[in-house]
Amino acid sequence: GAVVSQHPSWVICKSGTSVKIECRSLDFQATTMFWYRQFPKQSLMLMATSNEGSKATYEQGVEKDKFLINHASLTLSTLTVTSAHPEDSSFYICSVSVVRERGTDTQYFGPGTRLTVL
Amino acid sequence: GESVGLHLPTLSVQEGDNSIINCAYSNSASDYFIWYKQESGKGPQFIIDIRSNMDKRQGQRVTVLLNKTVKHLSLQIAATQPGDSAVYFCAETGGGFKTIFGAGTRLFVKA
Repeated sequence: GAVVSQHPSWVICKSGTSVKIECRSLDFQATTMFWYRQFPKQSLMLMATSNEGSKATYEQGVEKDKFLINHASLTLSTLTVTSAHPEDSSFYICSVSVVRERGTDTQYFGPGTRLTVL
Repeated sequence: GESVGLHLPTLSVQEGDNSIINCAYSNSASDYFIWYKQESGKGPQFIIDIRSNMDKRQGQRVTVLLNKTVKHLSLQIAATQPGDSAVYFCAETGGGFKTIFGAGTRLFVKA
């Protein structure tokens, strides 16, 4: 598999500020990472696909100017929530895509970041 | 099928019993399936996977069954323990499309 870390594990910020979340692939060079958000007692909602060295691909309804994604290296992707508001409070999770053999695209997840916007 | 904002179904089992968690997948072109376990406040953890050329695969205390005819996937946990309490997600992928996660099932293990 792949070992994935996230930092910070939790953050509380004031409304209107920006928050950066880091996702690191510790033992695998990841050309593709994914960012999800998850509300309490709900499933994972894909926000965007982060591609190393190119622009992220955002899902429908996700504002690319609000959720800035940078994947500058094979081991690091960052998600910046700009001008955060209380409705952005959620659990943000990243994953690394690993293809060990053709047709087996497996995602390994980070531990998640709990964002609370006051 | 596609993950949507639904409240999670729940399965409650007695410690020591076997658990069966079911998942109906949506795309007949899917050829690779994964089960994840998510404990409270943590990210999903890979449990077991299966390719479409198999109908059963066993791991440690877990077995995944695949029925392509009815597009059904199940996860069986033997001798369920309190540490198995979590939300379990199935995922389907293949055919060049993005991974699709199921809605999840919450497993409660009663001591």
